[in-house]
Amino acid sequence: AQSVTQLDSHVSVSEGTPVLLRCNYSSSYSPSLFWYVQHPNKGLQLLLKYTSAATLVKGINGFEAEFKKSETSFHLTKPSAHMSDAAEYFCVVSDTASNTGKLIFGQGTTLQVKP
Amino acid sequence: NAGVMQNPRHLVRRRGQEARLRCSPMKGHSHVYWYRQLPEEGLKFMVYLQKENIIDESGMPKERFSAEFPKEGPSILRIQQVVRGDSAAYFCASSPPVPGRPTEAFFGQGTRLTVV
Repeated sequence: AQSVTQLDSHVSVSEGTPVLLRCNYSSSYSPSLFWYVQHPNKGLQLLLKYTSAATLVKGINGFEAEFKKSETSFHLTKPSAHMSDAAEYFCVVSDTASNTGKLIFGQGTTLQVKP
Repeated sequence: NAGVMQNPRHLVRRRGQEARLRCSPMKGHSHVYWYRQLPEEGLKFMVYLQKENIIDESGMPKERFSAEFPKEGPSILRIQQVVRGDSAAYFCASSPPVPGRPTEAFFGQGTRLTVV
């Protein structure tokens, strides 16, 4: 079965410092992986996606993620945090086994950005 | 091109009442997914529909919950005889028809159901 594990439930950084949100996946197939962001009481916005092309994926708002098959990881990074980055972040894998496009979500990581 | 539209944004129901949640997918999208988000948790898949067909309902509770996506009109998630444990945010997502290849889903703002 496919799954994702977000290794940190909360991450706190200072504004202007790097962000690292960790995600490990489990998949018997070549996975499609995504990062979504959810601001308080809002819907989800796609940050970036990996679908077996380049292993370093660039997304919106300066975020990027690197797919590492040997480590089964897809960590999200940003060089310099901004106050507006404070939100909930979800690592997501597409259920390739069923080929229905349904998504399997991690538990989420709350990013706090301190001034 | 409007995004995925969900209404109502907030819904309060008394125990035992029915809740109807509506979702209009993005234009050109024929795949609709419903997810539930309980407090402090990630989203959990409930059901996947295409026009007039339920494709995968493996995440739907066996009782009280139903979903449809008619030929005309929005997709409806219906919860009968609501209980306090149904209180959650319900998100709808849509994606275009791309056979054989997963594509990202576009999410609505969600409906926050509160059962009192």
